[in-house]
Amino acid sequence: QVQLVQSGAEVKKPGASVKVSCKASGYTFTSYAMHWVRQAPGQRLEWMGWINTGNGNTKYSQKFQGRVTITRDTSASTAYMELSSLRSEDTAVYYCARRYCSAGSCYFGFDPWGQGTLVTVSS
Amino acid sequence: QSALTQPASVSGSPGQSITISCTGTSSDVGGYDSVSWYQQYPGKAPKLMIFEVSNRPSGVPDRFSGSKSANTASLTISGLQAEDEADYYCSSYTSSSTLYVFGTGTKVTVL
Repeated sequence: QVQLVQSGAEVKKPGASVKVSCKASGYTFTSYAMHWVRQAPGQRLEWMGWINTGNGNTKYSQKFQGRVTITRDTSASTAYMELSSLRSEDTAVYYCARRYCSAGSCYFGFDPWGQGTLVTVSS
Repeated sequence: QSALTQPASVSGSPGQSITISCTGTSSDVGGYDSVSWYQQYPGKAPKLMIFEVSNRPSGVPDRFSGSKSANTASLTISGLQAEDEADYYCSSYTSSSTLYVFGTGTKVTVL
């Protein structure tokens, strides 16, 4: 079945960078866009950006522009999200999520989601 | 880019119907038929319940339905069940540089 499995929890110091991976299985990786969404403790979901896994083109939320980089390794069916210049406010669970597609068509919506990766930024 | 506005909490008794609103602007909810709804249990990843305003993915009970009027979208849960107790988030495509915006979230409590 379609599944997204993310890397494990990370603890980083302020100013450092973190790179989270998202390994896809059960479908053709390069056929579906991958998005990244984060959720700070007790807070709402927040969209960060997406990657066209076919050609590698990316689009980022203006809030994270300059600090976030989304890449992919097609041979490993894996997408990556790297966030730099970390600060305490970046402490959150980071999710990858595929654009929802069914019966050959794709729609506005995200499904499935990875299990989430907790990134803690603390000195 | 501000978040879409949802009520902080909604509650109902088993069997009742509840409705969660999601208010945005003409740049997001009102401008596109792109609203989706997610159910999230504590410590778990969100699950897609409704896509493109009113469509249910396979496997989602037909007790869940969505609609939209002007700049406000709604999620209705009919025949409320104990397992529906969770947080719910709406989301919409937006013409702003954010591209996608989520709602503030609503905690549904089954009394």
